[in-house]
Parts: sequence; structure tokens; C-alpha cells
Amino acid sequence: KNEVEQSPQNLTAQEGEFITINCSYSVGISALHWLQQHPGGGIVSLFMLSSGKKKHGRLIATINIQEKHSSLHITASHPRDSAVYICAVKRGGATNKLIFGTGTLLAVQP
Amino acid sequence: EAGVTQSPTHLIKTRGQQATLRCSPISGHTSVYWYQQALGLGLQFLLWYDEGEERNRGNFPPRFSGRQFPNYSSELNVNALELEDSALYLCASSPFRGRGETQYFGPGTRLLVL
Repeated sequence: KNEVEQSPQNLTAQEGEFITINCSYSVGISALHWLQQHPGGGIVSLFMLSSGKKKHGRLIATINIQEKHSSLHITASHPRDSAVYICAVKRGGATNKLIFGTGTLLAVQP
Repeated sequence: EAGVTQSPTHLIKTRGQQATLRCSPISGHTSVYWYQQALGLGLQFLLWYDEGEERNRGNFPPRFSGRQFPNYSSELNVNALELEDSALYLCASSPFRGRGETQYFGPGTRLLVL
């Protein structure tokens, strides 16, 4: 079983829809990242959070440390949101490495 | 401010050869991380350098190695290339030891081993 699980693996939405991507993890963490990867391969860090909720534009990320679960929400989705969204957790302690989920492929259709 | 840069963008090698990938972190960042994204395997942590020293490595064989220079740029070397080394190699940087800080990713180097 992977230490970081994402769902769904694939998601197709119509423009304007509200989208939720989920991430569950089984290890102790110091922080959780949401990343966005476009077809060219480049990765953009969307959020890093260790508690509560963060919002940036149409993107909202929440985390529940007790339940070891995080969600990424996209409001009023747009075709330019089409990308792979990756959840990654930073282990506690001195390792400082990220453990990645397998990603969610999102396609937003006009 | 310039982001993380990587070179080359693409690299084609044959089995048994060596590959050298380069990464320049964001100015002021001392930590550099290397990740491998092989087809169907997702992103996996390779190496972490900070202040010129290797701080942690992932579950990869010793033929994956690297170093960090005094200007905090980094090289990833892959010796005795195998076909399954074909992947996107991503570099990321963060401020000192990355504690509590976001990692910023470069555009990656696509390595193809024939």
C-alpha cells in the first residue's frame, strides 16, 4: 500500500464545475504539498500546508491532521486547469524528503 | 527573480553510458533536491543536498550520485545507464535545510536511454 493515496486517478469535468481531489496518507508528516504538473512536465507548487485551510484564487486546500487527509478544491473550473495534480507529504524529522501520490489527471472540457 | 533552472532539457544516451544533469537553485536557496519521474511510477525522491553535503538519499542504487558546488548548484550523475533510467528528472530548491519551506521545482531534464 502506498504511503500517499490520491483519488480519483482520473477526473473529467465540465467548465464551471466544482472539483475536489482527495489525498490520504499513512505516515507522520510535517507538511503536505499540492503540486500541479502540466503536460510539458514542469511542476508548480500550489500549496504547502500543515494545518487548516489555504486559499489562492480559485484554489482551496484543506488538511485534517487527525484524519490524515487533505483535499484540493477548484472552484469555477476552467480548461486551463487541466493538468496532473500531485499530493506530496514531507516526513517529519531530518529526512526532509517528499513522498508523492500518483497524481490525479484532471481534464476540464469547455 | 529567476526560478530553478535545469540543463539540458533533453538528453539521449545509450545503455552503459554516463549522464550528467545540472541544476541551479533559486538565488539564496541552499537546499537542492533531485527527483525521478519514470513512466508509470510517479515521482520518487532521489537525493537531497544542503550546504554542499548529501543529507539524504532515496532508494536508488549507488550509480546515482551527485554533488553540490559552493554556489549551491548541483549535478546529478547516473553511471552505467540502464533502459529503465529513462525518466524526467526534476530538481527543486528551498531555503536553508527546507524547514517549513516550499520546494520550488525546475522544468526538468528528460533522459532517454536507448
